[in-house]
Amino acid sequence: EPEVTQTPSHQVTQMGQEVILRCVPISNHLYFYWYRQILGQKVEFLVSFYNNEISEKSEIFDDQFSVERPDGSNFTLKIRSTKLEDSAMYFCASSATHGNEQFFGPGTRLTVL
Amino acid sequence: GNSVTQMEGPVTLSEEAFLTINCTYTATGYPSLFWYVQYPGEGLQLLLKATKADDKGSNKGFEATYRKETTSFHLEKGSVQVSDSAVYFCALSDSAGGTSYGKLTFGQGTILTVHP
Repeated sequence: EPEVTQTPSHQVTQMGQEVILRCVPISNHLYFYWYRQILGQKVEFLVSFYNNEISEKSEIFDDQFSVERPDGSNFTLKIRSTKLEDSAMYFCASSATHGNEQFFGPGTRLTVL
Repeated sequence: GNSVTQMEGPVTLSEEAFLTINCTYTATGYPSLFWYVQYPGEGLQLLLKATKADDKGSNKGFEATYRKETTSFHLEKGSVQVSDSAVYFCALSDSAGGTSYGKLTFGQGTILTVHP
């Protein structure tokens, strides 16, 4: 069964460093998403991506964040200068059509020291 | 804006007990409603969904009915098993016919532990 994969499973970084979180969505899907969950809080939407551009973003997704689909398979989330408050679990998701089921990856736990 | 509220957890039950996890929502328009489950060490998996009022979603013995009049989508299971131990998330998407690209708004999650 096809699945969404994410790497790394755990990333530890120093405050101010850049990190790139990687995701491989399901191959025939067209809509891609990033969510995050700070420990003990809700899963929050960050950004959606369709047709090689951002289709929607939340107020969390400021200029420090960017997304890219550099080739036909990967979907990346970059944080340019990490802050302590960026520590969270980051989930990637994809769907075949919008409004339909989103398939989630296992998440990347980001720890900013 | 949209919001989802789940009952406070964690919930601890004995095997074969009846489960209810409450979920209420606030949304403009006519959202689709979902329950996602997260087993330890895994990503979120769709458990069931309902796309319009009075629809009942069901899967693996779980069910939930989309109640527009009470803005609720409570999750129920008649007899839980140890293997149902997981975190359960209620969520909505307001993308049906709208301009949103399907973003999900989640509740805070409810940890369910089932003892033998």
